[in-house]
Amino acid sequence: DSGVTQTPKHLITATGQRVTLRCSPRSGDLSVYWYQQSLDQGLQFLIQYYNGEERAKGNILERFSAQQFPDLHSELNLSSLELGDSALYFCASSVGGLNNSPLHFGNGTRLTVT
Amino acid sequence: LAKTTQPISMDSYEGQEVNITCSHNNIATNDYITWYQQFPSQGPRFIIQGYKTKVTNEVASLFIPADRKSSTLSLPRVSLSDTAVYYCLVGPMGNTGKLIFGQGTTLQVKP
Repeated sequence: DSGVTQTPKHLITATGQRVTLRCSPRSGDLSVYWYQQSLDQGLQFLIQYYNGEERAKGNILERFSAQQFPDLHSELNLSSLELGDSALYFCASSVGGLNNSPLHFGNGTRLTVT
Repeated sequence: LAKTTQPISMDSYEGQEVNITCSHNNIATNDYITWYQQFPSQGPRFIIQGYKTKVTNEVASLFIPADRKSSTLSLPRVSLSDTAVYYCLVGPMGNTGKLIFGQGTTLQVKP
């Protein structure tokens, strides 16, 4: 158990809808990362937050947004969903800061858009 | 950002030592090298991390030459349960920088 909790485990929704994925980082971790993994794209970095602030942005679509709350949990919002958004969405956390701590991943949310 | 190149796939047999090499010619001074293991439908799991020379833990060893342009993950005496995708990740740890995963190496361990 990595200590990173993601909810829900599975999500099935229709095109055009909006969903929110939730991530609770490991206790003490200040950094949260979001990744998307689909069969043909591998693990794609979306965005990183550190202590509530956005720190790095990857290939995140404009239809997607994220935030990290004061209690350090994070949410990834996906809107105007398309079939191609079907994927596993992983959250990872690390201590962050100047500490070279590795990422610890949750077990992901499997999103299916029909 | 340092780009990594790994073999797409490798086969091995139970009990053998497996070495997976990752090339990262453009590694930066403040970049660390980290390896992750991923089983199907699970999140990647940290294996080992290093900056230079050799690092060993209870699971694997990581060899990094002086120029740091490549690294080798060594898995001693693999078992069937080591069948997974292995990712080499190069980047600054901490709260800065994008941490990019490459395509990974799919290791198939046969009985």
